[in-house]
Amino acid sequence: EVQVLESGGGLVQPGWSLRLSCAASGFNFDNYAMTWVRQAPGKGLQWVAGINGGGDYSYYTDSVKGRFIISRDNSQNTVHLQMNIVRPEDTATYFCAKYARPLTGSTHIDKWGRGTVVTVSS
Amino acid sequence: DIQMTQSPSTLSASVGDRVTINCRASENIFEYVAWYQQKPGRAPRLLIYDASTLGSGVPSRFSGSGSETDFTLVITNLQPDDFATYYCQQYDTYFVTFGQGTKVDVK
Repeated sequence: EVQVLESGGGLVQPGWSLRLSCAASGFNFDNYAMTWVRQAPGKGLQWVAGINGGGDYSYYTDSVKGRFIISRDNSQNTVHLQMNIVRPEDTATYFCAKYARPLTGSTHIDKWGRGTVVTVSS
Repeated sequence: DIQMTQSPSTLSASVGDRVTINCRASENIFEYVAWYQQKPGRAPRLLIYDASTLGSGVPSRFSGSGSETDFTLVITNLQPDDFATYYCQQYDTYFVTFGQGTKVDVK
């Protein structure tokens, strides 16, 4: 069974850093791009970042570019989101998700984690 | 980035109704559209991909159609479990984007 499980959320002060992790299982991990999608309280879904299966290509939405870093460890089947210089508007539930088709990040999402909550506040 | 404009933002309906949700892309995205259902406090669930292909385990009362810039999700014979928020998503590029969501609530 395919599973994706996030961890690392919490309360962080503006300007500080936080690292989210995502443990995946049940599929050939290094064949699939992975992504982070966030949802601010009471708002819609916003794609944040993606990374290819090999971990050598990553891409970001403009609002986090230069502050967030997505990475993966294929030996541990994990994905990380390093959140630096966080802002109050980064407050959201962060979902880790698996893209459905192998070898591409230009496809739909077929498995989502339950999400981890990040609150940026002083 | 490709913008996805979803309508309506809220839709009130009754059990047994036929419900239609629309999504318009800011440019031609062929059939690279997915639809997701989300309930409060839960992760989204895939319903439809490639504009019209039903996801695994999704009831046949859900259907999708459209191409290029205009897409539709239809729920026929609305069931109590279907009251939720629905999102479209384009994946014509790696920089995927979502519509703003449509909340289907009880009339």
